[in-house]
Amino acid sequence: DTAVSQTPKYLVTQMGNDKSIKCEQNLGHDTMYWYKQDSKKFLKIMFSYNNKELIINETVPNRFSPKSPDKAHLNLHINSLELGDSAVYFCASSQLAGGYNEQFFGPGTRLTVL
Amino acid sequence: SQQGEEDPQALSIQEGENATMNCSYKTSINNLQWYRQNSGRGLVHLILIRSNEREKHSGRLRVTLDTSKKSSSLLITASRAADTASYFCATDLQGAQKLVFGQGTRLTINP
Repeated sequence: DTAVSQTPKYLVTQMGNDKSIKCEQNLGHDTMYWYKQDSKKFLKIMFSYNNKELIINETVPNRFSPKSPDKAHLNLHINSLELGDSAVYFCASSQLAGGYNEQFFGPGTRLTVL
Repeated sequence: SQQGEEDPQALSIQEGENATMNCSYKTSINNLQWYRQNSGRGLVHLILIRSNEREKHSGRLRVTLDTSKKSSSLLITASRAADTASYFCATDLQGAQKLVFGQGTRLTINP
């Protein structure tokens, strides 16, 4: 059973469109994250939710809106997609309370904006 | 510049040799972690070393941490072709509730 899953794995879309990426974790963790990995493999945190509450928002454009309906899910909606949004987006989870923040990553969603 | 900077950016060695990667950081940490990323995959946690620890082992992995120099190293002994991947250090910053990742070292093991 996959611990952290994301859908879709690949997403190809036109500039200006709106798209969503979904993430689910079955590890019982209290915290979930979205990361963006650019073409140079640099991994940067975008958002973090702890028990459905937003705790980190790293100056991401407000075209990006995360939503956490429950502790096991964290979705990412992107409005008005731009060429620079092309990247691989990773979801991750960890147990912050009583843990060491070891993070478990999903397989990634490769977004290509044309 | 980045919180975590890794050195070298790329490393190519023969199978059976040891591989050493280094990571430097700037601010106080709770712990430092190493992750592996195979091509086209997500990151996988390898090992964690806490700020009050100096060395840790896990199988063929050995991690050291020098908080006075704000640096860490990852040693992979007796490398195998399957070790070919990118390796990232990540610092768990005090009071920040997040990990900050380095740029990664691309390791290639030649058969």
